[in-house]
Amino acid sequence: GESVGLHLPTLSVQEGDNSIINCAYSNSASDYFIWYKQESGKGPQFIIDIRSNMDKRQGQRVTVLLNKTVKHLSLQIAATQPGDSAVYFCAEKREGNKLTFGGGTRVLVKP
Amino acid sequence: GAGVSQSPSNKVTEKGKDVELRCDPISGHTALYWYRQSLGQGLEFLIYFQGNSAPDKSGLPSDRFSAERTGGSVSTLTIQRTQQEDSAVYLCASSLRGQMNTEAFFGQGTRLTVV
Repeated sequence: GESVGLHLPTLSVQEGDNSIINCAYSNSASDYFIWYKQESGKGPQFIIDIRSNMDKRQGQRVTVLLNKTVKHLSLQIAATQPGDSAVYFCAEKREGNKLTFGGGTRVLVKP
Repeated sequence: GAGVSQSPSNKVTEKGKDVELRCDPISGHTALYWYRQSLGQGLEFLIYFQGNSAPDKSGLPSDRFSAERTGGSVSTLTIQRTQQEDSAVYLCASSLRGQMNTEAFFGQGTRLTVV
């Protein structure tokens, strides 16, 4: 399969601190990117997206940064809360609308 | 319903048996994806349907796996002669056709356990 994440990396963060989750994507032709959050026992949920003609987009407590030069995507979560504990995945859309996921990152929020 | 619906939510089967997993996408969504997620791991792409185009089957791990999408709506993922390594959560997602810049919505998944 494609983009399978083995042994997910873990980010431990203190409640109230900011979190930064990084993702390297593989295809320079990808022009749309999405961050998903997956809580235990649930399917992935949409957080925020960004088009390739942008380098930054902000949502509520979240910011996505895109660096096309190095094919790097990051998700910043401000004032991390216990409810932010989950696995986070980046995804890229290529030609034909195919959605491909990168390896995930587990975020653990410490009280 | 308003979201992507998958059934069954859990399936336990004996090794060697065939299983069928069902996905009902969001109404009007003609792009449909199947992914597999093993415990504690990422999402492994299996197959992708886009309207009436030939599906992208490049992620299917073996010829025991197949999928259909009838009438451009409901999809069924079939695993023949199941093996223990097929145990995983199978996730389905759908998105709008022709809308490159729209997210895919996921169902809750089917947890398959092969014993």
